[in-house]
Amino acid sequence: GAGVSQSPRYKVAKRGQDVALRCDPISGHVSLFWYQQALGQGPEFLTYFQNEAQLDKSGLPSDRFFAERPEGSVSTLKIQRTQQEDSAVYLCASSPRQGWGTDTQYFGPGTRLTVL
Amino acid sequence: AQSVTQLGSHVSVSEGALVLLRCNYSSSVPPYLFWYVQYPNQGLQLLLKYTSAATLVKGINGFEAEFKKSETSFHLTKPSAHMSDAAEYFCAVRGLSNDYKLSFGAGTTVTVRA
Repeated sequence: GAGVSQSPRYKVAKRGQDVALRCDPISGHVSLFWYQQALGQGPEFLTYFQNEAQLDKSGLPSDRFFAERPEGSVSTLKIQRTQQEDSAVYLCASSPRQGWGTDTQYFGPGTRLTVL
Repeated sequence: AQSVTQLGSHVSVSEGALVLLRCNYSSSVPPYLFWYVQYPNQGLQLLLKYTSAATLVKGINGFEAEFKKSETSFHLTKPSAHMSDAAEYFCAVRGLSNDYKLSFGAGTTVTVRA
């Protein structure tokens, strides 16, 4: 079956521009996660949705970062007024249930954002 | 908070040799532990996970990992490396109860020499 898909795969933005990154989770998955992976590091948690509810946004680096999942399926991560330190790979993951316990998170290929 | 430490950012092995990637976790209570692999320009793929059912966990592509509570370790091994095993490997931890966040190590890059 289809896995998690993300678009665009690559995004180059000039400093100060707004960007929107899209995630299509596996159909029927309840939970959706966003992670940020800086060069040479492991992914770091950004935010967590259960259906359309954003239950945790504690990992978002600043108020320039905003995520939504209005219908409980597709999610968009928006970054306003991008800065060079926002350059990273943004990974989306989905889980069949609440995402804890033995639940597996399935990852998409990521969007590589480069801010010039 | 849960955390993991991966010892060695780069590992180079000969084709056919043992692959050993080290991961230690910090927790007073055995958590859930995961190994993921990331091929160039791809997302993370789950290799295996420890869920307390068995201390020796077998995963995909011939990998396995052993949970050792006394050593707070969850090292990943493969008896015989293939060229296709060249990738980056991440150990991750998640707490018990309703903890949903994965905390990842910094990763270990594996290169396989012909």
